[in-house]
Amino acid sequence: GNSVTQMEGPVTLSEEAFLTINCTYTATGYPSLFWYVQYPGEGLQLLLKATKADDKGSNKGFEATYRKETTSFHLEKGSVQVSDSAVYFCALSDQGGGADGLTFGKGTHLIIQP
Amino acid sequence: NAGVMQNPRHLVRRRGQEARLRCSPMKGHSHVYWYRQLPEEGLKFMVYLQKENIIDESGMPKERFSAEFPKEGPSILRIQQVVRGDSAAYFCASSQYGQGSVGNTIYFGEGSWLTVV
Repeated sequence: GNSVTQMEGPVTLSEEAFLTINCTYTATGYPSLFWYVQYPGEGLQLLLKATKADDKGSNKGFEATYRKETTSFHLEKGSVQVSDSAVYFCALSDQGGGADGLTFGKGTHLIIQP
Repeated sequence: NAGVMQNPRHLVRRRGQEARLRCSPMKGHSHVYWYRQLPEEGLKFMVYLQKENIIDESGMPKERFSAEFPKEGPSILRIQQVVRGDSAAYFCASSQYGQGSVGNTIYFGEGSWLTVV
């Protein structure tokens, strides 16, 4: 079956540091890949996505590249801000016709200190 | 352009009571999904519905949980005889296209937090 593995948190960084949150996946077919962000007390917001190999998704200074050869979709940002503190979820959607919705990783709690 | 609307945002129920969570999808979306987020865990798929039909309920507990998406009105997730272990955040999501569609994007509501006391 499908699965998503992302690095355990919490990840604590200082403001303006470089961020990488690792995400690897296992899937049948050719999935679409997503990063969602959840701010405290709120729902999930789509941060970025990529639908095929070598696609790069980007938004709000975050980016992630769909790497089929390493089955990875690592999230990166060059200079984080305190306002980026949130929980980040990597997810995949199986395009093979499966109807089981998105498969999520367990989430990585990011804490940015001023 | 309203997003996915869920209510109530917070719900407290005593053990044995019923909980009903409502979800109105984004305008133009006919596919609805429910997910559950237990404390300190990621989201787990529960059920996928299209208007008046349950397409996949493989993530739904076998007892006490049911979902519907009537022709008119919001989708409802119903939990009967709640227990403490049902305490969680329940997220509804919707999409314009069905699962398996290339590039299909699922949009989430802000969640309903159920607390069973």
